[in-house]
Amino acid sequence: DGGITQSPKYLFRKEGQNVTLSCEQNLNHDAMYWYRQDPGQGLRLIYYSQIVNDFQKGDIAEGYSVSREKKESFPLTVTSAQKNPTAFYLCASSQGRNQPQHFGDGTRLSIL
Amino acid sequence: AQSVTQLGSHVSVSEGALVLLRCNYSSSVPPYLFWYVQYPNQGLQLLLKYTSAATLVKGINGFEAEFKKSETSFHLTKPSAHMSDAAEYFCAVIGAKAAGNKLTFGGGTRVLVKP
Repeated sequence: DGGITQSPKYLFRKEGQNVTLSCEQNLNHDAMYWYRQDPGQGLRLIYYSQIVNDFQKGDIAEGYSVSREKKESFPLTVTSAQKNPTAFYLCASSQGRNQPQHFGDGTRLSIL
Repeated sequence: AQSVTQLGSHVSVSEGALVLLRCNYSSSVPPYLFWYVQYPNQGLQLLLKYTSAATLVKGINGFEAEFKKSETSFHLTKPSAHMSDAAEYFCAVIGAKAAGNKLTFGGGTRVLVKP
């Protein structure tokens, strides 16, 4: 079945540590997205990529970094500069303008 | 700039009763509108989408939504709630010329279904 796979499902970060969240899709979608979800809030866009080797900052990019070396992969690194990283992170992909986004099952990041 | 407002962060309904979730949007161009559902610790699943073909849109799990341009609304309804409908629901919009196909989400409405 085609879909989006996020791993790990749960992740713990120590102070001063960078961690990387994985997102892989086999939908052959060109565009991929990373969102952050906090309790009681909607989704906020961190980064997005419309094509391989290109990506743009979303609304809350500070303290995060991404890469898009392959069409199917869009990893997100939460750096030590992100002072409040505890959240639920969702990856999505879409194909074509105005098409709906398809979501993975998320990674929950917590601070040790 | 586009925005989405969902009225009511929590809604409680009895099993078998009507579910009505409200969504109002602002967009400077004709919008593309979506409703998503999220179950605990899962990603978002698309319920339905409005793409200007018809103002009444039917989705999965018995849900439907009506686009009303004059009211800038896209409310979600289901005639008879089921226990499995307990989840969080998000309305989202893409402005037709939005760069990067970016979605703007409402704050979400959590639905509780009482037996």
